[in-house]
Amino acid sequence: SQTIHQWPATLVQPVGSPLSLECTVEGTSNPNLYWYRQAAGRGLQLLFYSVGIGQISSEVPQNLSASRPQDRQFILSSKKLLLSDSGFYLCAWSSALVHGYTFGSGTRLTVV
Amino acid sequence: GENVEQHPSTLSVQEGDSAVIKCTYSDSASNYFPWYKQELGKRPQLIIDIRSNVGEKKDQRIAVTLNKTAKHFSLHITETQPEDSAVYFCAASKSQGAQKLVFGQGTRLTINP
Repeated sequence: SQTIHQWPATLVQPVGSPLSLECTVEGTSNPNLYWYRQAAGRGLQLLFYSVGIGQISSEVPQNLSASRPQDRQFILSSKKLLLSDSGFYLCAWSSALVHGYTFGSGTRLTVV
Repeated sequence: GENVEQHPSTLSVQEGDSAVIKCTYSDSASNYFPWYKQELGKRPQLIIDIRSNVGEKKDQRIAVTLNKTAKHFSLHITETQPEDSAVYFCAASKSQGAQKLVFGQGTRLTINP
């Protein structure tokens, strides 16, 4: 069966520090991968998605970036965090054969 | 691009009563409509979904209806229980290509004992 791993679960980082969040999927090949952010008490905002290795599409302009170095690995990065980057970051995957998204367990990021 | 509106933002019902959450979408090409339940601090979990070739789908106490002409779909929960308390999100996407899900803003459902 397919599983998705996301880490770390929580992170407290100072303003201006770098960020790296990682997500991996097991049990499937060539999945679509997504990064969403959820501000406290708010909805889910799509940040990036990828339909294949090295293929990244950005949905909103910001100081974050994403990379997909391997088929089932998706990384969210920042060179310098802002206070406004705080939130709950969720990785998800989908495929033509699987209905809907499956989300990772999320990373709660607090920028201080 | 797609835009999904969800109402109400908060909903409080007595245990045992029914709850209805409604969503509208803008892109007539969208053909996949899932609903997610998110408990506090947890990831969203898929609870039911519907594709555009059907008008209604039911799974025990949960049902979803779709009106493609009016571009709206609804979640119905019957015989509500305390464990139904959560935030519910509707979403819409095309089932081909990148399958980007656009989410509604969420409904905080509270079941009062």
